[in-house]
Amino acid sequence: AQKVTQAQTEISVVEKEDVTLDCVYETRDTTYYLFWYKQPPSGELVFLIRRNSFDEQNEISGRYSWNFQKSTSSFNFTITASQVVDSAVYFCALSVGSTGANSKLTFGKGITLSVRP
Amino acid sequence: DAGVIQSPRHEVTEMGQEVTLRCKPISGHDYLFWYRQTMMRGLELLIYFNNNVPIDDSGMPEDRFSAKMPNASFSTLKIQPSEPRDSAVYFCASSLIAGYQETQYFGPGTRLLVL
Repeated sequence: AQKVTQAQTEISVVEKEDVTLDCVYETRDTTYYLFWYKQPPSGELVFLIRRNSFDEQNEISGRYSWNFQKSTSSFNFTITASQVVDSAVYFCALSVGSTGANSKLTFGKGITLSVRP
Repeated sequence: DAGVIQSPRHEVTEMGQEVTLRCKPISGHDYLFWYRQTMMRGLELLIYFNNNVPIDDSGMPEDRFSAKMPNASFSTLKIQPSEPRDSAVYFCASSLIAGYQETQYFGPGTRLLVL
């Protein structure tokens, strides 16, 4: 069975601080996909990034960066110079198998990030 | 491009009533998923379809829930009869086969309150 653990439940930072959201996953499959989604106060789920198990390259997109480490089964998300608009709930998710992400997503419980001005 | 469309956005009903949630996936997508989000259980998959055929319905809570996909551009999730514990946000998502680039894109959700 698959499992995603987001041990942090709530994080509060002041604007311009850097913040890292942790994600630890469990699976016995060798082919799997990891995702981060953002859920702002308006409620929709916004896709941020996808990573495949055979691509351990880290990624940077503007103020966002992701650190994927298979050795520790972690896929952490860092926001640099946080802004108030980053306030949201962030979900890490996992899918497994040869069908790629076209199968069940197992979500973590989510991390509520509050960025204060 | 239009994203996943869900209707209604909000639904308030009384216990025992039938509820129908609707979803239009992104055009061209092969897969359609129904998820439910509650405070207690978080986000959980209810059922998903590939080319209009249900693939995995193991997450459907009980016989009161049913889902259909009569064509590639429309799906429904029906609860009959509804109960207060069905109150949740129901999300529809769609995706397509894209050579390891698959991603599920979510609709805005339907917020259901059963009184």
